[in-house]
Amino acid sequence: KAGVTQTPRYLIKTRGQQVTLSCSPISGHRSVSWYQQTPGQGLQFLFEYFSETQRNKGNFPGRFSGRQFSNSRSEMNVSTLELGDSALYLCASSLEGQYYEQYFGPGTRLTVT
Amino acid sequence: DAKTTQPPSMDCAEGRAANLPCNHSTISGNEYVYWYRQIHSQGPQYIIHGLKNNETNEMASLIITEDRKSSTLILPHATLRDTAVYYCIVRPRNLNTNAGKSTFGDGTTLTVKP
Repeated sequence: KAGVTQTPRYLIKTRGQQVTLSCSPISGHRSVSWYQQTPGQGLQFLFEYFSETQRNKGNFPGRFSGRQFSNSRSEMNVSTLELGDSALYLCASSLEGQYYEQYFGPGTRLTVT
Repeated sequence: DAKTTQPPSMDCAEGRAANLPCNHSTISGNEYVYWYRQIHSQGPQYIIHGLKNNETNEMASLIITEDRKSSTLILPHATLRDTAVYYCIVRPRNLNTNAGKSTFGDGTTLTVKP
């Protein structure tokens, strides 16, 4: 079974721009969660989507948004990029109703200059 | 979600067992203990989880104390490739409106030495 894939793997943007990251979950998984990882803050939860609905949300500003499509693929968007948004963005998928067993993708490394 | 406490770092000799402790004294009755690890520059990897009984899989064993206030992840024969940050998390069983907000904490950096 193919794992979680994320595209692109690396991205360089300038302040003020916006960016869209993509995540394809494991086949059959309906839950997709997004995390931001930085050296100073560690792994921080952004939001979780389940069956095209945002079910949970972390403490991030409204510039961070996401969506999930009917095939469970998910996208995350960050508008008006700031230098502090430079991070590794990780996507994780899991089955409905399963224990908190999440499978992570390799991440997208975003650098904002 | 219950807070966990892990030592920031540990060393282990290659081939020996690595025992990684985790304290979760405020764990609730419906919360499971999960372990993940993250090898440098990769996404976290699920290892094992348990509620109150000890668990074992092909990667590791999980020992949970009877009062469930602490647990230990055991890698029976550590290899150099086990060098990673290990995260202990306690979570309710299913993701729901109140459950999906936790972070992974700082974890324990395990260094396996030759």
